[in-house]
Amino acid sequence: AQKVTQAQTEISVVEKEDVTLDCVYETRDTTYYLFWYKQPPSGELVFLIRRNSFDEQNEISGRYSWNFQKSTSSFNFTITASQVVDSAVYFCALSDLPSSGGSNYKLTFGKGTLLTVNP
Amino acid sequence: KAGVTQTPRYLIKTRGQQVTLSCSPISGHRSVSWYQQTPGQGLQFLFEYFSETQRNKGNFPGRFSGRQFSNSRSEMNVSTLELGDSALYLCASSVTGANYGYTFGSGTRLTVV
Repeated sequence: AQKVTQAQTEISVVEKEDVTLDCVYETRDTTYYLFWYKQPPSGELVFLIRRNSFDEQNEISGRYSWNFQKSTSSFNFTITASQVVDSAVYFCALSDLPSSGGSNYKLTFGKGTLLTVNP
Repeated sequence: KAGVTQTPRYLIKTRGQQVTLSCSPISGHRSVSWYQQTPGQGLQFLFEYFSETQRNKGNFPGRFSGRQFSNSRSEMNVSTLELGDSALYLCASSVTGANYGYTFGSGTRLTVV
C-alpha cells in the first residue's frame, strides 16, 4: 500500500526565513508521481509541482525549490525568503499508475504541514 | 478559463438524510475525482469518473456513490448520513492522459448534525 508521511505537523517562521517541508513516501511501484499542493484557508488545493519517479532532477521555481531523492524516498519542498502569503497547509501526495481506459491516477496524501509565516 | 466549480459551498444536514453534491469540471476535462477531507483522516480518495464510468474507487461504504454526465459534470451522493460524514468534499478534474495533475475546486463543507 502507498503511504506518505509528513512528520512536521506545524511550522512557524518569521517572514524572510527559509523553510523546508519534509515528505517521505512508501510505494511498491517502480513508476509513480509525486506532488505538492498548497491549501490556503479558502479550502482549494493549489497545485505546486509534479515529479515522476524517473526524473530526479531537482527544480527551482522562483522562491520554491524541490529536492527529490529516490534513494531515501523523500520529496522535500523549500520556500526561500518566506512571505506571509505563504501561510497555508502544504500537502505532499503520491499517485499510483493510471488505471485502464485512459483515466487518471488517484492521489494518496500526507497529513499536511501547517505553515505559519509571521510578519 | 473557469476553474472547477463545486456547489453548494456549505451544507448542513441531519443524520439519516441524504445529500447530493455537484461538481463542474474545467471545460475539456473529462476526468473527475472526489476526495473527502476530515481533521482525523486527512484527504482520502473517494472515486474517479471518466467518460461517465467509474474507473477507480476508494475504501468507502456503499452509502457513498457518484455519477458523471455526458458533459463531464459530476455528482456525488451520500445516503443515510452519519455524524462522521461531516467533512470538506473536494472535487478535482483533469484532462485525459496520465501526465496531467488535477485541478481542485474549493470544496463543499458538509456538516451533519
